[in-house]
Amino acid sequence: ETGVTQSPTHLIKTRGQQVTLRCSSQSGHNTVSWYQQALGQGPQFIFQYYREEENGRGNFPPRFSGLQFPNYSSELNVNALELDDSALYLCASSLEGGSGGYTFGSGTRLTVV
Amino acid sequence: GESVGLHLPTLSVQEGDNSIINCAYSNSASDYFIWYKQESGKGPQFIIDIRSNMDKRQGQRVTVLLNKTVKHLSLQIAATQPGDSAVYFCAENNNGNQFYFGTGTSLTVIP
Repeated sequence: ETGVTQSPTHLIKTRGQQVTLRCSSQSGHNTVSWYQQALGQGPQFIFQYYREEENGRGNFPPRFSGLQFPNYSSELNVNALELDDSALYLCASSLEGGSGGYTFGSGTRLTVV
Repeated sequence: GESVGLHLPTLSVQEGDNSIINCAYSNSASDYFIWYKQESGKGPQFIIDIRSNMDKRQGQRVTVLLNKTVKHLSLQIAATQPGDSAVYFCAENNNGNQFYFGTGTSLTVIP
């Protein structure tokens, strides 16, 4: 059984650029959630995907968008990057509804300069 | 809005002692809570969970206590080991699809 894998592990982008982060969910998990974790803070919910549709969203602007694919993998896209978008982006997979909690990946460290 | 806070941002304990990490939450509708451990360079790792119909749950070397009256959650780690050094987060859920995480407590185990 594989866990949650994220790519890339580190990324540096320039303000105004766009970025795509990728996540493969744990085997058997059909729900993917994305979280942003700023340095020294707890993770903040961005959105969740279930059955290839957005299934809830946190307090993030529309320039944060996502996709889920039939194999349950997911992408997080961020447009018009801002300096404050620098953070660790965590993907978490779960069974429907988050039952049993999430399995988190190790995250993508995004730095916007 | 949601607010999950921790009483102490850092905690240092001697190896072999017991550790207690506390967490306060503000949403009385929250009915599911999880403690996560996050080591440097890794994502949060599930430790133990508890539902609001319980006030105590035990795992291997860990115990979670829930006091709904004062909206307080604690994680007790018995016989703390150097490998327990990490940041610990409590997270709450109110039957929705998102978890609200606290700021975290950094636990350092002194050999």
